[in-house]
Amino acid sequence: DADVTQTPRNRITKTGKRIMLECSQTKGHDRMYWYRQDPGLGLRLIYYSFDVKDINKGEISDGYSVSRQAQAKFSLSLESAIPNQTALYFCATSDFGTGYTFGSGTRLTVV
Amino acid sequence: AQSVTQLGSHVSVSEGALVLLRCNYSSSVPPYLFWYVQYPNQGLQLLLKYTSAATLVKGINGFEAEFKKSETSFHLTKPSAHMSDAAEYFCAVSDQGNTGKLIFGQGTTLQVKP
Repeated sequence: DADVTQTPRNRITKTGKRIMLECSQTKGHDRMYWYRQDPGLGLRLIYYSFDVKDINKGEISDGYSVSRQAQAKFSLSLESAIPNQTALYFCATSDFGTGYTFGSGTRLTVV
Repeated sequence: AQSVTQLGSHVSVSEGALVLLRCNYSSSVPPYLFWYVQYPNQGLQLLLKYTSAATLVKGINGFEAEFKKSETSFHLTKPSAHMSDAAEYFCAVSDQGNTGKLIFGQGTTLQVKP
């Protein structure tokens, strides 16, 4: 099994729908992150969590929410999806010893 | 606030030629700097990282990068490009070493011509 697992891998949804992207990790790390990737913009941080009780907004949190259900699980929700949220989404974890580990990404298309 | 600027969204080199991908950073604290590579339809893979030890950092696949504080740069190089190096490359900075949030540059797509 992958260290960081993202589900689904691909998703097409309609404008206005609520959608949840899930991330689970087996690294035992406290810190988890959600990024989105857009062509020409690199990866931008949406939300991050330094432990289960600590949730922080990143640079582009509008239109998104997160839930840290456990140390190993960090979900990203789009409350009402819109087309410009079409992107590749990455979950990541980190700790001092091993650094960052990224998931394989979720490709989301909002039509 | 930290930031990263990658100069050149597309770089094209011939196979066997020098690869140079440019990255400049801004940070109010001693930075940790990273280069990641993303092959088509794949996730991010760490190439190398600077963690305030040696300024010349060697990574995987023959890549290396030099941290130059005076120039606030962390350019990625490889002496001889291979076709398999074609990918997108991201420079990133962290304010808390291996554990803080990463701030990424815009990415540079490397094309390698035969």
